[in-house]
Amino acid sequence: GQNIDQPTEMTATEGAIVQINCTYQTSGFNGLFWYQQHAGEAPTFLSYNVLDGLEEKGRFSSFLSRSKGYSYLLLKELQMKDSASYLCAVMDSNYQLIWGAGTKLIIKP
Amino acid sequence: GAVVSQHPSRVICKSGTSVKIECRSLDFQATTMFWYRQFPKQSLMLMATSNEGSKATYEQGVEKDKFLINHASLTLSTLTVTSAHPEDSSFYICSARDGTNLGETQYFGPGTRLLVL
Repeated sequence: GQNIDQPTEMTATEGAIVQINCTYQTSGFNGLFWYQQHAGEAPTFLSYNVLDGLEEKGRFSSFLSRSKGYSYLLLKELQMKDSASYLCAVMDSNYQLIWGAGTKLIIKP
Repeated sequence: GAVVSQHPSRVICKSGTSVKIECRSLDFQATTMFWYRQFPKQSLMLMATSNEGSKATYEQGVEKDKFLINHASLTLSTLTVTSAHPEDSSFYICSARDGTNLGETQYFGPGTRLLVL
């Protein structure tokens, strides 16, 4: 079966760095997406990785290792507004998105 | 980035009535739109995939006669919840894929919160 694993919840301190991991087992791979979802709102797109390596976009970076079925989202200089759920999703061989359950990130002052 | 709108943002209706939710891509043509529902503290659940001009493809367990999807144009898809019941209360979110490239990013609408009394 297809499976996406990410931690349920993480806590970090304002100004610090946090890494949210995602491991996946899917039938085929056509890219991995990270989305941010604030409570009560729809997800917003953060990043897309299809090749191995690190993609940096401001305070957020996303890393992919296809051979390991692994990705992480790195958030630097954490701000209170970064408190949200972070969803990892993999596009399978049928170009369908397989969603992780999301990681709730709690930022403390 | 691409903008997707949804209307209404919130709806309360009586049991047995039908509710229509609109999803529009505002600055791009969306050949494919997706409808999701999300229960509190749970991940997104794909309900159906909608291609412009053709019938929607429903996920297993989703009643196509209850959740009617119409994708009449490249910028508009509608979801109609027919004869709504309290268990249909949920957060309904649409997303749209920009262009015909299957690997393109999906952009989400703001969601519609449905409460059936």
